Amino acid sequence: QVQLQESGPGLVKPSETLSLTCTVSGGSISGYYWSWIRQPPGKGLQWIAYIYYSGDTDYNPSLKSRVTLSVDSSKNQFSLNLSSVTAADTAVYYCARDSTAPGTSWDPTFHYWGQGILVTVSS
Amino acid sequence: DIQMTQSPSSLSASVGDRVTITCRASQSISNYLNWYQQKPGKAPKLLISAASSLQRGVPSRFSGGGSGTDFTLTISSLQPEDFATYHCQQSYSTGVTFGQGTKLEIK
Repeated sequence: QVQLQESGPGLVKPSETLSLTCTVSGGSISGYYWSWIRQPPGKGLQWIAYIYYSGDTDYNPSLKSRVTLSVDSSKNQFSLNLSSVTAADTAVYYCARDSTAPGTSWDPTFHYWGQGILVTVSS
Repeated sequence: DIQMTQSPSSLSASVGDRVTITCRASQSISNYLNWYQQKPGKAPKLLISAASSLQRGVPSRFSGGGSGTDFTLTISSLQPEDFATYHCQQSYSTGVTFGQGTKLEIK
């Protein structure tokens, strides 16, 4: 069974960069698309971006200018950097994997989720 | 972006009730619609994909329907463990979007 676990600082200062890592266990990172999704307190879910194991990416247009994704297959990890954060970026951040079969086009139906990590932006 | 609108935003119901949650897309998404259940402090759990395909292990009291722009999630007989927040999500376009969520509370 695939398991995902987010890690990173729980507190980030305004204007700085939020950095999170997702570690995948119980399966390989290869062959799949890996997403970041966030949820501000008391609000709905917002898809941020995905990275394919090969390094291909796609982004939510509203966040594209501030998001950088990377993947480290040797560690079975992928990472999110979100720059120039403000209080509006305070949220629970989830990493997730969808159901896309290897070698097919992206199907964003999210079967596997990390437990989530709360990141607060505050000075 | 395709906007997803759920109604109602919150709903009070009793154990044994039949409830229906609606999700409307701002343009046609065929049947590219997923439903998730989220309990407090937990990650969302996929219940239904492709508008009506029940995931393995999800009780049969859950059902989904609709196509195009209008979709429903129905729980035929509410159980105590069903009180949670439900989210719809379109998987039609790469600009993935979710509804704002429907919180189902005990009356």
